[in-house]
Amino acid sequence: QVQLVQSGAEVKKPGASVKVSCKASGHTFSGHAIHWVRQAPGQRFEFMGWINTASGDTKYSQKFQGRVTITRDTSATTAYMELSTLQLEDTAVYYCARDCWDGTCYDSWGQGTLVTVSS
Amino acid sequence: DIQMTQSPSSVSASLGDRITITCRASQDINNDFSWYQQKPGKPPTLLIKAASTLQSGVPSRFSGSKSGTEFTLSISSLQPEDFATYFCQQADSFPRTFGGGTKLEIK
Repeated sequence: QVQLVQSGAEVKKPGASVKVSCKASGHTFSGHAIHWVRQAPGQRFEFMGWINTASGDTKYSQKFQGRVTITRDTSATTAYMELSTLQLEDTAVYYCARDCWDGTCYDSWGQGTLVTVSS
Repeated sequence: DIQMTQSPSSVSASLGDRITITCRASQDINNDFSWYQQKPGKPPTLLIKAASTLQSGVPSRFSGSKSGTEFTLSISSLQPEDFATYFCQQADSFPRTFGGGTKLEIK
């Protein structure tokens, strides 16, 4: 079965960076894009960006442009999301999600990674 | 960005009841719309895609419909496992955006 397994919780200081991994199994890694979204406490989900796992092409939300970098390692079937210059408001649960075949939904999600930014 | 306005933000219902949740998009999004269920401490799961297509494995008591820019999730005959938070998402326009969520609680 399709599985996305993310790295563990992180605590960071303001100004630091965090890198979250998302290891995929149970499907052809290059066959589906991987997206990253986050949910801050009490807030709605927020799209951050996505990666074409075949080509490595990426596209980022304007809100995070310049601060987020999404990469992938096809041999490890793993996608990564790095967010830099962390602020307190970046405290959230970060999820990777597999894009549906038609690019209109997420049919599998990672378990989520809590990133806490605290001084 | 397309705004997704979801209502109600919370609803109380009893086992066996039928409920509906609505999401309204700020502009036409065709059928590039999906519904998700999320339970505390767990990732979301896909319920309905393309506005009205039931995801494989989802019980038939869940259904989705569309009228213009308004999308509706209906759950007939509520079961104990249905009490959760539901949210919507549009994928027609970049960036994808989400509704604010509806918490379904037991009355």
